[in-house]
Amino acid sequence: QKEVEQDPGPLSVPEGAIVSLNCTYSNSAFQYFMWYRQYSRKGPELLMYTYSSGNKEDGRFTAQVDKSSKYISLFIRDSQPSDSATYLCAIRKTSYDKVIFGPGTSLSVIP
Amino acid sequence: DSGVTQTPKHLITATGQRVTLRCSPRSGDLSVYWYQQSLDQGLQFLIQYYNGEERAKGNILERFSAQQFPDLHSELNLSSLELGDSALYFCASSVGAGVNTGELFFGEGSRLTVL
Repeated sequence: QKEVEQDPGPLSVPEGAIVSLNCTYSNSAFQYFMWYRQYSRKGPELLMYTYSSGNKEDGRFTAQVDKSSKYISLFIRDSQPSDSATYLCAIRKTSYDKVIFGPGTSLSVIP
Repeated sequence: DSGVTQTPKHLITATGQRVTLRCSPRSGDLSVYWYQQSLDQGLQFLIQYYNGEERAKGNILERFSAQQFPDLHSELNLSSLELGDSALYFCASSVGAGVNTGELFFGEGSRLTVL
């Protein structure tokens, strides 16, 4: 079983839609949860970072972690064409451990 | 611009050859991570260094090796190259141990094509 799994998509939505991206992980030892965004041919960049269960909001983005079910989500409200990218969930056990990435979900927001 | 510099950006070489990829981390960052990204495997962790010492190792092939130098730049050496080694190789850096953040800063990657 892979340490983190993610629906690869691709996902195509109209502009303004609410997008839900999800990942599951296998080991309860993971304590840090992140979402990275990767534009084509670019390096990933951090979008959201959370520690422990709960919600974290940043503008149009909300990250949700449910440690009891080992489930993490990213919600994008009022999606924009500029949100078209690959979204990677990422997990790590400590703040200085290796970061393990999910395979990524490709998102296209159609104007 | 993340502040992480990777060279070369593109590299085309033949099977059996050896290449070296170079990474300069952000100023002040002590940790360097190497990742391989291919279409079918996603972003795979290879190896992590902290202040010159190897910290963690992932699924890095024996044909691959890396090191972090005293000035904190890092090199990833790939030898006896095979077609399957064609991928994007990313370097990332972070401040390092003891800092409560998950942020890795990624370079633009080195695209390796093995023919």
